[in-house]
Amino acid sequence: QSALTQPASVSGSPGQSITISCTGTSSDVGSYNLVSWYQQHPGKAPKLIIYENTERPSGVSNRFSGSKSGNTASLTISGLQAEDEADYYCYSFAGGFTHVIFGGGTKLTVL
Amino acid sequence: QITLKESGPALVKPTQTLTLTCSFSGFSLTSTGVGVAWIRQPPGKALEWLGFIYWDDERRFRPSLKSRLTITKDTSKNQVVLTMTNMDPVDTGTYYCAHSVIYDSDLHYKYYFDYWGQGTLVTVSS
Repeated sequence: QSALTQPASVSGSPGQSITISCTGTSSDVGSYNLVSWYQQHPGKAPKLIIYENTERPSGVSNRFSGSKSGNTASLTISGLQAEDEADYYCYSFAGGFTHVIFGGGTKLTVL
Repeated sequence: QITLKESGPALVKPTQTLTLTCSFSGFSLTSTGVGVAWIRQPPGKALEWLGFIYWDDERRFRPSLKSRLTITKDTSKNQVVLTMTNMDPVDTGTYYCAHSVIYDSDLHYKYYFDYWGQGTLVTVSS
């Protein structure tokens, strides 16, 4: 069961925007509008920041946005802040034998 | 307010069976469309889904671990129990339980984790 493909790391300066990609297949990301994104600070539990590709839970900053095109979902963080430095994981429903799948994670560094 | 908390041994020996308990509050695992999942994270590595138990008692497991995993629920105690047999050092990591919205009142799939436990570190070593 391979993970969804994410870049290992991305970086940006305060105030800039960055985008993290999450590439799957036509069997998972491409088939369902059920990609969610999680932010994880060191030593902490993951936190939901985007669900159903583009929806933001109550209380999550509108600097976080999600999108999907074909087999690739993306998380964009605008107006980067130091507190955004964390690991980010995508996750998708896949149905069938696989059922659900996480991405390999991306470490965001705020320069 | 939904909360979850994992409990269990911090250290297990190779070949032993791991039993972890997820105690939760703020929701019922008999409510339609609700699930609880177990997710683990080896040190410095990515999140890895292990299994789900749903409101209707259906279970789904990570295919590669299916033969080693059991998940049960006790709705009267608001607990979900994960059992993993034949533990190996590669199973070392932080184990999380999480509340999952499976589908909504309109029967639209959701499948996201909106609440997580704090996690419990399990080390497998002799």
